[in-house]
Parts: sequence; C-alpha cells; structure tokens
Amino acid sequence: AQSVTQPDIHITVSEGASLELRCNYSYGATPYLFWYVQSPGQGLQLLLKYFSGDTLVQGIKGFEAEFKRSQSSFNLRKPSVHWSDAAEYFCAVGLNSGYALNFGKGTSLLVTP
Amino acid sequence: AAGVIQSPRHLIKEKRETATLKCYPIPRHDTVYWYQQGPGQDPQFLISFYEKMQSDKGSIPDRFSAQQFSDYHSELNMSSLELGDSALYFCASSLGGITVGKLAKNIQYFGAGTRLSVL
Repeated sequence: AQSVTQPDIHITVSEGASLELRCNYSYGATPYLFWYVQSPGQGLQLLLKYFSGDTLVQGIKGFEAEFKRSQSSFNLRKPSVHWSDAAEYFCAVGLNSGYALNFGKGTSLLVTP
Repeated sequence: AAGVIQSPRHLIKEKRETATLKCYPIPRHDTVYWYQQGPGQDPQFLISFYEKMQSDKGSIPDRFSAQQFSDYHSELNMSSLELGDSALYFCASSLGGITVGKLAKNIQYFGAGTRLSVL
C-alpha cells in the first residue's frame, strides 16, 4: 500500500543548529514529493517539491531536501534553524490514481533559545 | 499575489445541521481539492475537481457533496453534521493539465482553511 512515513513526531533543536526531518515513502511508481509547513491555525505552505532531475532541491526559507531513491527517502534539511521555523512539517506524495496528496503524520518542530 | 480564499474561516454548527464551505482558487487555476484535517492529524484528501468535473475521490462521507462552478470556485456541502466532522477543512488549487493515467505535475496551493466546530 502507498504510504508516507515521518518517523519523528516531535523534534527539538536549538536556534542556530542544523535540522533534518525524515520522510520515507512506499510507492510503486516514481513519486512526486513535497514538503509543506503549517504554523498553528494556519494553512499549508509549500516549502519545496521534487518531480525529477537533480535530487537535491532548494526551497523557500533556506530549506532543502534530497531525494534518495535507494532509501525511498526525501529528507528535509536546514543548516541553521531560526525560532520562526517552529511549526508542523508535512511530507506529501502525489498519488498515482489521481492528483491528491497523501500526507505523512507530520513532525512538530520546537526551536529553543 | 492572490492566494486561495476560503470562507468562512470559522463555523460553528449543531449536530444534524448542514454547512457549506466555499473555496475560491487562485486566478486561472482550474483544479480544486478538498482536505479534512482532524485535531492533531494529517490532512486527508476528500475530493477534487478539474474543469467542473470530479477528478478524484478520497475518503469523503456520503453526507458530504461538492461541486465546482463555472468560475472555478468550489463548495463543499455537509449535511447531518456529526461531532466527528469537527476539523479544519482545507481547499487547495492548482493549474491542471491532467492526463488520465499519469501523475499530474500539479503544485497545490492551500488556503488558510475553514475551522468547523460541531457542537
């Protein structure tokens, strides 16, 4: 069955430290992969996407993600976290049957001073 | 730049009442999607429309219906509301170009959501 797994429910990092949020997928075809961020009570903002080509993609707010086919992963990274990055992060995969997104359960990021 | 507009932002209803949520996509976007996000949950896909036709269907209850109008805005109609319908409902829009049988390279832009509380 198609699935998206975000193994970490909560992550806490210090401001200025590096960040990596994990995402693994189980999917038959070449997936379309996305990372969205959601601040409390807000909508989902697209951080970055991977369709094909260069496996390292750059997004907004200094985020990047690397697609690794061999590991079925699409991990999100940021070299230096800011307090404003505290939010819920969702990895999503484009479904094969149509055009809906299948979301992971999300990772809640807490940034400490 | 114009974004996806959802109205109302908040809605409080009683059990067994009906509710209508509206979504206005980004100008020139022809595809809309509806998602439901329960408390502490990930968004779950409900239904989508492309050029006023239903393009995909997810876990939408039979009590819910939706449609897309000629101006591409969409409405989600919810009847016989239950306590479990309390959630954040998101609409997303994209520029279509859907080809049957292939993954569409759509990028979905989300609205701020409608928070529905059923009492």
